[in-house]
Amino acid sequence: DGGITQSPKYLFRKEGQNVTLSCEQNLNHDAMYWYRQDPGQGLRLIYYSQIVNDFQKGDIAEGYSVSREKKESFPLTVTSAQKNPTAFYLCASSMTGSNQPQHFGDGTRLSIL
Amino acid sequence: AQSVTQLDSQVPVFEEAPVELRCNYSSSVSVYLFWYVQYPNQGLQLLLKYLSGSTLVKGINGFEAEFNKSQTSFHLRKPSVHISDTAEYFCAVRNQGAQKLVFGQGTRLTINP
Repeated sequence: DGGITQSPKYLFRKEGQNVTLSCEQNLNHDAMYWYRQDPGQGLRLIYYSQIVNDFQKGDIAEGYSVSREKKESFPLTVTSAQKNPTAFYLCASSMTGSNQPQHFGDGTRLSIL
Repeated sequence: AQSVTQLDSQVPVFEEAPVELRCNYSSSVSVYLFWYVQYPNQGLQLLLKYLSGSTLVKGINGFEAEFNKSQTSFHLRKPSVHISDTAEYFCAVRNQGAQKLVFGQGTRLTINP
């Protein structure tokens, strides 16, 4: 079955440590997205990519980095510069076009030790 | 700037009662509209979308929504809810031609027996 796989489901980070969240899709979608979800705040866009080797900052990119070396993969690194990283992170993908709905993975919950 | 307002953060209803979850948006251009559902510790699942044409759109699980351009609203309805509908619901809007999808803050629907 086609879909989006996020791993790990739960992740713990120590102070001053970088961690990388994985997102893989086999839907043949060109566009991929990373969102952060906090209670009562909906989803906020961190980064997005419309094509391989290209990506753009979203609304809350500070303290995060991404890469898009393959169409299927869009990993997110939470750096030590992100001072409040505890959140639920969601990856999504879609076909190109503003009328195309986004499809979501099951998320990674990141906590600080 | 584009924005989405979900007027109720929580909606409690009894099983088999009707429900309406309200969503208003602001945009200076034509938009595409979406409703997503999120079950605990999962990603978002598309319920329905409005792209063009008939203003009443039907989705999965018996939900429907009506696009009202003059009132800039896209309210979600279900005539008879079930315990399994307990979840968080997100309204989202995207300007035509844009890449970013803007989410509301979510409405938590609780079904009481």
